[in-house]
Amino acid sequence: DTGVSQDPRHKITKRGQNVTFRCDPISEHNRLYWYRQTLGQGPEFLTYFQNEAQLEKSRLLSDRFSAERPKGSFSTLEIQRTEQGDSAMYLCASSLVGLANEKLFFGSGTQLSVL
Amino acid sequence: AQTVTQSQPEMSVQEAETVTLSCTYDTSESDYYLFWYKQPPSRQMILVIRQEAYKQQNATENRFSVNFQKAAKSFSLKISDSQLGDAAMYFCAYRSVRVEGAYKYIFGTGTRLKVLA
Repeated sequence: DTGVSQDPRHKITKRGQNVTFRCDPISEHNRLYWYRQTLGQGPEFLTYFQNEAQLEKSRLLSDRFSAERPKGSFSTLEIQRTEQGDSAMYLCASSLVGLANEKLFFGSGTQLSVL
Repeated sequence: AQTVTQSQPEMSVQEAETVTLSCTYDTSESDYYLFWYKQPPSRQMILVIRQEAYKQQNATENRFSVNFQKAAKSFSLKISDSQLGDAAMYFCAYRSVRVEGAYKYIFGTGTRLKVLA
């Protein structure tokens, strides 16, 4: 169990550029979540996958955001035409559905700064 | 919609002392889960403790315990014998048990805990 990995840890980009983040969940986990966290706030739900199926997207996730989880393993979150308001930490978490004590395991996040 | 409120942006505690972090929530559901997560400067959120709403007994994990008051919709975290490593942001979180809401964890705004040597 190597935990949830996120790459990169930091990303600085200019407004209007596209960025892509990667998340590698714990290998046997079938559920994967993306959250966004801004300074002074708790994580806000963006989207989640059950295996390779994206089952829910928050209204926070505009059409500039897209997430994929091919083959039900790693996931990518892409932001197109970034805006300064996209600056935040993007957290990935995974869990194994079906356990009585199901719990989220988080990665260390990707800190995005849009200049 | 469910909400989670943490009214203490920051708390301080002397090393080896006890501190209590407050959390209130709002829901119309009768069964749900509540959690406390810790986010140290390394940024990785770590589960501290979990409480099922149907259980009357308060959860405990070593130096961490909760005071779950279901009628008052209150879920406070008590840290005993505080250690320097306890310094972090602490988030209270709610999760529905209903299938359509079970994927969504709702987090409070967090309490920054400082531990003084």
